[in-house]
Amino acid sequence: KNEVEQSPQNLTAQEGEFITINCSYSVGISALHWLQQHPGGGIVSLFMLSSGKKKHGRLIATINIQEKHSSLHITASHPRDSAVYICAVSPNGATNKLIFGTGTLLAVQP
Amino acid sequence: NAGVTQTPKFQVLKTGQSMTLQCAQDMNHNSMYWYRQDPGMGLRLIYYSASEGTTDKGEVPNGYNVSRLNKREFSLRLESAAPSQTSVYFCASDRGPLNEQFFGPGTRLTVL
Repeated sequence: KNEVEQSPQNLTAQEGEFITINCSYSVGISALHWLQQHPGGGIVSLFMLSSGKKKHGRLIATINIQEKHSSLHITASHPRDSAVYICAVSPNGATNKLIFGTGTLLAVQP
Repeated sequence: NAGVTQTPKFQVLKTGQSMTLQCAQDMNHNSMYWYRQDPGMGLRLIYYSASEGTTDKGEVPNGYNVSRLNKREFSLRLESAAPSQTSVYFCASDRGPLNEQFFGPGTRLTVL
C-alpha cells in the first residue's frame, strides 16, 4: 500500500464547478505539499501546510493531522486549471525526503 | 532569475552508455534533489544534497551517482545506462527542510 494515496485518480469537471481532490497518508508528517504539473511537465508548488487551511486565489488547501487527510479545493474551475495535482508529505525525521502520491489528473471542460 | 535549469531536455542512450544530467539553481538554495517520474508512479527521490559538500541516497539510488559541484550545481550521472532507467528526471531545490521546493523543467531520457 502506498504511503500517500490520492483520490480520485482522474476527474473531469465542467467550467465553473467546485472541485475537491483528496490525499490520505499513513506516516507521521511535518508538512504536506500540494503541487501542480501541467502538460509538458513543469511542476510548481502550490501549498505547503502543517495545520489548518491555506488559500491562494481560487485554490484552498486544508489538512486534518489527526485523520491524516488533506483536501485541495478549486472554486469556479477554469480550463486552465487542467493539470495533474500531486500531494506529497515531509515525513517526521526525514523532512527532506518527500513521499509523493501518484497524482490526480484534472480536466476542466469549457 | 532562471530558477532551476536542467540540461539536456531530451536524451536517447543505448544500453551501457554513460551520461551526466546537469542541474543548476540561481536562488541561493541550500538543498538540491534529483527525482525520477515514471508512469503510474509518484515522483521518487534518487539522491539529494542537504547542503554544499553533502549528498545522501534517496529511495532509488542504484545505478546513479551524484556530485554537488558547488552551491548552485548538482549533477546526476548514469555510469552504465539500462532500459529500466528510461524515465523523466527532475531536479529541484529549496532553502532547506520544510520549505517550498522549486523544480526544473525535466529531462526525458530513453535508454534503448
